[in-house]
Amino acid sequence: DSGVTQTPKHLITATGQRVTLRCSPRSGDLSVYWYQQSLDQGLQFLIQYYNGEERAKGNILERFSAQQFPDLHSELNLSSLELGDSALYFCASSGAGARKNIQYFGAGTRLSVL
Amino acid sequence: DAKTTQPTSMDCAEGRAANLPCNHSTISGNEYVYWYRQIHSQGPQYIIHGLKNNETNEMASLIITEDRKSSTLILPHATLRDTAVYYCIVRELNGGSNYKLTFGKGTLLTVNP
Repeated sequence: DSGVTQTPKHLITATGQRVTLRCSPRSGDLSVYWYQQSLDQGLQFLIQYYNGEERAKGNILERFSAQQFPDLHSELNLSSLELGDSALYFCASSGAGARKNIQYFGAGTRLSVL
Repeated sequence: DAKTTQPTSMDCAEGRAANLPCNHSTISGNEYVYWYRQIHSQGPQYIIHGLKNNETNEMASLIITEDRKSSTLILPHATLRDTAVYYCIVRELNGGSNYKLTFGKGTLLTVNP
C-alpha cells in the first residue's frame, strides 16, 4: 500500500458527461501529480500541484482541470468526455526531505466512456 | 520524450537474478536514474534511484556505469510476483519539488516457474 488513495476505483459514464476523480496524498506530502494511462499512449503526465498551487503542466487537455484543496487532497475534473478519454488515471504524491524525490502512486481510477 | 532505451521484453527463471538493462546515453550530470515497475494495471511502484553510485535496497540493486550512459536493475532472486513492466526513467534534479516522470514503454519482465 503506497498510502495514496484514489476514488472511485471504477467509473463508467457516457460521452459528453463530466466526472471528478479524487486523490488523497500520503500523510504530509505536499505535491500531487496526475497521470493518464491509455493503451496507445502509455503513462502521460498531466499536471502537478504543490501545496495548493499549480506547479507544472503536461499533456492536459483544456477540457480537463485539477485543483488541490487546503487539506491537500486533489481532484481531477474531466468534462465533455469523449470515447478517447477512457483510460486509467493515476495520482501520485511526493513529500519533503528524504521523500521529496520519490513519487508514490495510487491504485488508479479506471474510466470507461461509453 | 523518454530519454532511455530498454528492451521490450525479457524472461527470467524463478529464483534466478533478473538483470534489466537501460541505456541513457544523453544523461547529464544532474540527472538521476529512477526505476519503477507496474504490475498489470496497478499503480506504478517505486523501486530505486541513483545518481552515480551503485545503490541497493530491500527490493533491488542499481548498477550505474562509470560514464553514466547505462544502468542495470538487478532483482537478486526473482519470483513470479516480480512479473511486471519495468520503467527506467531519467529525471532532472531541480532542487525543488517541481518535476515530472517521463515514462517510456519499459521492459516487460516475465518470471517463469
